[in-house]
Amino acid sequence: GAVVSQHPSRVICKSGTSVKIECRSLDFQATTMFWYRQFPKKSLMLMATSNEGSKATYEQGVEKDKFLINHASLTLSTLTVTSAHPEDSSFYICSARETELKAFFGQGTRLTVV
Amino acid sequence: GQNIDQPTEMTATEGAIVQINCTYQTSGFNGLFWYQQHAGEAPTFLSYNVLDGLEEKGRFSSFLSRSKGYSYLLLKELQMKDSASYLCAVKNSNYQLIWGAGTKLIIKP
Repeated sequence: GAVVSQHPSRVICKSGTSVKIECRSLDFQATTMFWYRQFPKKSLMLMATSNEGSKATYEQGVEKDKFLINHASLTLSTLTVTSAHPEDSSFYICSARETELKAFFGQGTRLTVV
Repeated sequence: GQNIDQPTEMTATEGAIVQINCTYQTSGFNGLFWYQQHAGEAPTFLSYNVLDGLEEKGRFSSFLSRSKGYSYLLLKELQMKDSASYLCAVKNSNYQLIWGAGTKLIIKP
C-alpha cells in the first residue's frame, strides 16, 4: 500500500529554536498534504492544508508565521515550527492524499521543547 | 457546530466482543471513517462507510445509520494487541474531516 514517511519521529529542541518536520509520499504524488496536531487524549486537530505549488491554507487559530509550511514538490511537504516554546510540545502528524477518499498518515513526530 | 461523540474509554476481555459507538453532527456527510491509533503512533485506517449498513472486514465490522447520525465499530475475538485508541471521523459536505477524540480500548486477559 501507499507509504508516507515522516521525519524525524522524535525531536527535542531548546526553547527559541526552530524545528523542521518532513513529510514524504514515497510511492505516489500528493498534491495535497495535511498537517495535524494531537494533544494527549484529544482528537486530531487539523492545522493546515498544504497544496503543492501554492500557499498553505491554515485553520482558524493557527499562526501561519509560527508554523511555516512548504509544499515544494508533489512528494514533499515540510512543517517548520519557528521559535518553539514549551507549549508547542505535541505530536505532529502529516497526511498525504492519494485520491479524494484515500489519505495516508505519516508516522508522526513527537516534539518536546525544553 | 460540528461534533463527533464517542466514549472516552472502554474495557473488554480478551476473546470477547466490544462495540464502540460514534454519533455525529456535521454540516453534510460524505463518509465516516474508523482509525486505530496505538499510543505514540499515527492512526491507521480501519474502515470507511458511506452507505447505511454493516461492512465486515475480518474481526472488525463497522455500521452506519445516516438518518440517526450513528456508527459503531465492532471488534470480535479481541486480542491484547487490539488495545489502542479508536478514532471516528466524518467527512462533511466540504470534504473536511471532523475527528472524534477517540475511544481508548483496554483489553484485559
